[in-house]
Amino acid sequence: EVQLLESGGGLVQPGGSLTLSCAASGFSFSTYAMSWVRQAPGKGLEWVSIVSANGAATSYADSVKGRFTVSRDNSNNMLYLQLNSLRDEDTAIYYCANALGSCSGGSCHRWFGPWGQGTLVTVSS
Amino acid sequence: DIQMTQSPSSLSASVGDRVTITCRASQSISNYLTWYQQKPGKAPKLLISAASNLQSGVPSRFSGSASGTDFFLTITSLQPEDVATYYCQQSHSTPYTFGQGTKLEIK
Repeated sequence: EVQLLESGGGLVQPGGSLTLSCAASGFSFSTYAMSWVRQAPGKGLEWVSIVSANGAATSYADSVKGRFTVSRDNSNNMLYLQLNSLRDEDTAIYYCANALGSCSGGSCHRWFGPWGQGTLVTVSS
Repeated sequence: DIQMTQSPSSLSASVGDRVTITCRASQSISNYLTWYQQKPGKAPKLLISAASNLQSGVPSRFSGSASGTDFFLTITSLQPEDVATYYCQQSHSTPYTFGQGTKLEIK
């Protein structure tokens, strides 16, 4: 059974930093792209970032580009999201998810599932 | 960025009703459209990929279809356990964008 377990969320002041982790099990982690998606309280879903199976390629939403960094450790089946220069509007539940689909001709077509249970990041002074 | 517009934003229907949720893309995305179900307090669940490909374990009362840049999620006979918010997502290109969601309730 695929399991994704996020951790590392918490309360942080504006301008602060946090690292989220996602522990994966039950599938061949190193063969799947992985993604982070967030959901502000009472709001909809927002894609945040994606990392390729081997970690060589990454992509980010404009809202987090230059502030967040996604990485992975395939030897330990771990996905990470480093959050820097945090803002009030970064307050959200952060989910990790398998990124399904494929890339061809320089374009990647991705959808997400399954998802972890999420970890809450609250940015507030 | 590709904008995804869902309608309606909320919907109330009776058990056994046929329900349809619409998602419109701001440009052509071929069939790269995904549907998710999110029950209160839970993580989203993948329902349908590639506009009409039902995921394993999802009840057959759920189906997806498309017409140009309009995409449809249909529940043929609404059940109490279908109470949830449903999201569409374009899987065509980054940034992968979601619709704003449709909250489905039982009347």
